[in-house]
Amino acid sequence: DSGVTQTPKHLITATGQRVTLRCSPRSGDLSVYWYQQSLDQGLQFLIQYYNGEERAKGNILERFSAQQFPDLHSELNLSSLELGDSALYFCASSEMGHFSGNTIYFGEGSWLTVV
Amino acid sequence: SQQGEEDPQALSIQEGENATMNCSYKTSINNLQWYRQNSGRGLVHLILIRSNEREKHSGRLRVTLDTSKKSSSLLITASRAADTASYFCATDRSGGYQKVTFGTGTKLQVIP
Repeated sequence: DSGVTQTPKHLITATGQRVTLRCSPRSGDLSVYWYQQSLDQGLQFLIQYYNGEERAKGNILERFSAQQFPDLHSELNLSSLELGDSALYFCASSEMGHFSGNTIYFGEGSWLTVV
Repeated sequence: SQQGEEDPQALSIQEGENATMNCSYKTSINNLQWYRQNSGRGLVHLILIRSNEREKHSGRLRVTLDTSKKSSSLLITASRAADTASYFCATDRSGGYQKVTFGTGTKLQVIP
């Protein structure tokens, strides 16, 4: 158990809908990362927050947004969903605001299926 | 595009054999890490090697780093069926903010 908690574990929704994925980082970790893993794209970095502020942005679509709250939990909002958004979404956390030398701890992921 | 590219994409070996996976990257890095992912599960950190290190051991794992060739290898000795998983290298780039980038992964199957 990494200590990173993600909910929901599985989600099936229709195209055009909006969903919110939730993540609680490990106790004491200030950074939260979001990744998308699909069969054809591999593991793609989406966005990182550190202590409530956006720290880095990767291949995140404009239809997607995220935030980190004062209690350090984070939410990833996916809107106007398309079939291609079906993927496993990971949240990860680390103690520091940068990856360098840091271990990143991953949650078990949220499986999103768009039908 | 991915910073790291693992090779081979898939590897199948018998239990007890050694497994070697390679990772190549494009830009200078500060650190390189290896992670394991069991099917459909989260990634688990295995080992970190810094850019000024050439080799590191952890149990049955041996990681080497050749910064001149921009490559790293992960050796798993005396493999077990439980080692069946995908293995990813992750790099953070030197200079400026380091955004971690994962490779495409090597899928290892250890046959009992």
